[in-house]
Amino acid sequence: DTGVSQNPRHKITKRGQNVTFRCDPISEHNRLYWYRQTLGQGPEFLTYFQNEAQLEKSRLLSDRFSAERPKGSFSTLEIQRTEQGDSAMYLCASSDRADGYTFGSGTRLTVV
Amino acid sequence: GQNIDQPTEMTATEGAIVQINCTYQTSGFNGLFWYQQHAGEAPTFLSYNVLDGLEEKGRFSSFLSRSKGYSYLLLKELQMKDSASYLCAVRLPDSNYQLIWGAGTKLIIKP
Repeated sequence: DTGVSQNPRHKITKRGQNVTFRCDPISEHNRLYWYRQTLGQGPEFLTYFQNEAQLEKSRLLSDRFSAERPKGSFSTLEIQRTEQGDSAMYLCASSDRADGYTFGSGTRLTVV
Repeated sequence: GQNIDQPTEMTATEGAIVQINCTYQTSGFNGLFWYQQHAGEAPTFLSYNVLDGLEEKGRFSSFLSRSKGYSYLLLKELQMKDSASYLCAVRLPDSNYQLIWGAGTKLIIKP
């Protein structure tokens, strides 16, 4: 297990389409986070899972966004009816302890 | 609200030392992190401070003063590969380890 894996690395979609991203965390990590980052800004928290339970969800996450972690392993983030403002880097991170996360390489979404 | 401030950009010379400051005003505090992020890549963990003082790790050191809401990251013997953004992040108490992030400091290293 070499780290957190995210797919795809890049996604270009037309406005109004749905997209789904996948994150495979480090296998022994029970905590999984989704963040969104735009250019020149720090990451913004979207949602958090402990095992399969989604324990926290940011107010940034509109009804168009949904995340799952069905078996407490990989997670998916779906955006429905994409808008140009959704263009960003979507980062997944996992952790099993208090003193830091490991991030995946991210999925860069461009909505045209 | 939560606020974390860092300089937007800094320039330093290869071989020199640079200090990147971070100040925070948050509703609570349960640790401060520094991450490095190269353009187009994910952040990578550098350091974690939860108690006051200096933590040294090779060429990188991080300092924390909780009473002042202040931290700095010190990079020594700068190398060209250190050109990156440096992000400061604070963990709030009882926050499921969620981090509040600064916007990052872009460090440019010149030969």
